[in-house]
Amino acid sequence: EAGVTQFPSHSVIEKGQTVTLRCDPISGHDNLYWYRRVMGKEIKFLLHFVKESKQDESGMPNNRFLAERTGGTYSTLKVQPAELEDSGVYFCASNPGLAGISSYNEQFFGPGTRLTVL
Amino acid sequence: LAKTTQPISMDSYEGQEVNITCSHNNIATNDYITWYQQFPSQGPRFIIQGYKTKVTNEVASLFIPADRKSSTLSLPRVSLSDTAVYYCLVGDMNYGGATNKLIFGTGTLLAVQP
Repeated sequence: EAGVTQFPSHSVIEKGQTVTLRCDPISGHDNLYWYRRVMGKEIKFLLHFVKESKQDESGMPNNRFLAERTGGTYSTLKVQPAELEDSGVYFCASNPGLAGISSYNEQFFGPGTRLTVL
Repeated sequence: LAKTTQPISMDSYEGQEVNITCSHNNIATNDYITWYQQFPSQGPRFIIQGYKTKVTNEVASLFIPADRKSSTLSLPRVSLSDTAVYYCLVGDMNYGGATNKLIFGTGTLLAVQP
């Protein structure tokens, strides 16, 4: 079974440009999460989808960030316009939902997208 | 979610047992204790979870005292490939048991040397 995949693995853009990150969760997982780690900081929660609905977006830093999950499958995270402080690693994670969880708080993470804003 | 405190780094040698202790003084009744492992250029990976006493799986053991204000992750006979950052997290059981957002601390960088 394929794990969580993220695309691209790396992205280098200039300040003011737009970047879209994509996450493909494990097939059948209703819950999808975005996290990020900026340089020297801890991994921080951004938002949580249950299927196509935003369950919790309390971690989204500002309105330059837009996350979508059309159809409840893959998700995109768009940053527009990008700022220098947006540089970091963006992780996506998923898990099945109420049914099928073998351990509470177990989320399956992708390898991350490293975003560099120049 | 309860805040956790753990050592920034630890050193060990191959074949040794490593114990990483985490403090979570404000843990709530509904909180579970979960440990994640993260290798360079990878996302965190779930290792083990417990509520009280001791839990063991093929990777590690987790010891939780009765007051649950701390926990210890034990890695038996570490190898070079166990070099990673280990995160201790506590989380509650909102949403009827569905998982919630994870709150990561600084983690412990374990460096295993030959």
